[in-house]
Amino acid sequence: GQNIDQPTEMTATEGAIVQINCTYQTSGFNGLFWYQQHAGEAPTFLSYNVLDGLEEKGRFSSFLSRSKGYSYLLLKELQMKDSASYLCAVRDKGYSTLTFGKGTMLLVSP
Amino acid sequence: ETGVTQTPRHLVMGMTNKKSLKCEQHLGHNAMYWYKQSAKKPLELMFVYNFKEQTENNSVPSRFSPECPNSSHLFLHLHTLQPEDSALYLCASSQDFYGQGASPLHFGNGTRLTVT
Repeated sequence: GQNIDQPTEMTATEGAIVQINCTYQTSGFNGLFWYQQHAGEAPTFLSYNVLDGLEEKGRFSSFLSRSKGYSYLLLKELQMKDSASYLCAVRDKGYSTLTFGKGTMLLVSP
Repeated sequence: ETGVTQTPRHLVMGMTNKKSLKCEQHLGHNAMYWYKQSAKKPLELMFVYNFKEQTENNSVPSRFSPECPNSSHLFLHLHTLQPEDSALYLCASSQDFYGQGASPLHFGNGTRLTVT
């Protein structure tokens, strides 16, 4: 079966750095995705990792270790607007269907 | 603007009603999806259509009936729902079903459904 774990909630301060972890156990692996979802809005695509290592995109970076079944999303220079739910999702085969974790609610305070 | 439009944004229906959710994508994608999002649960895949053909039905009860008349439009027909079906229903699209590279899902804003 598929199992994706991520923390339920995290808090951080404006301007700080936060790391959101995700561990997965899936029958196959063909990519890991991170999405951001603000309350009442659509999840929006943030990053994609299929090979081990770090992918950097502005203030956001995502890391993958396939041997450990582990990824993290790193958010730098936090802003209030970064308060949202962050969803980790795995594509287990060459298909576009994704299995999602429950999401991590990040609250950024002044 | 995500390129995927869902209507209505909110829907309240009784258990004996029949209603439909509509999704339209303006991205030229070939695959469309229905997901269910309940509080404190992961997004659950319900149905997948690739080039208008249903490729996956994730053990969804028959009170949910999808329809995909073309690659740009997707419907979810609802009848005799239960209160536990209250949730956010998200439509998504992707370039194709057999994803190579990122080929991420693009989601609509969802329909917040309440069954009374």
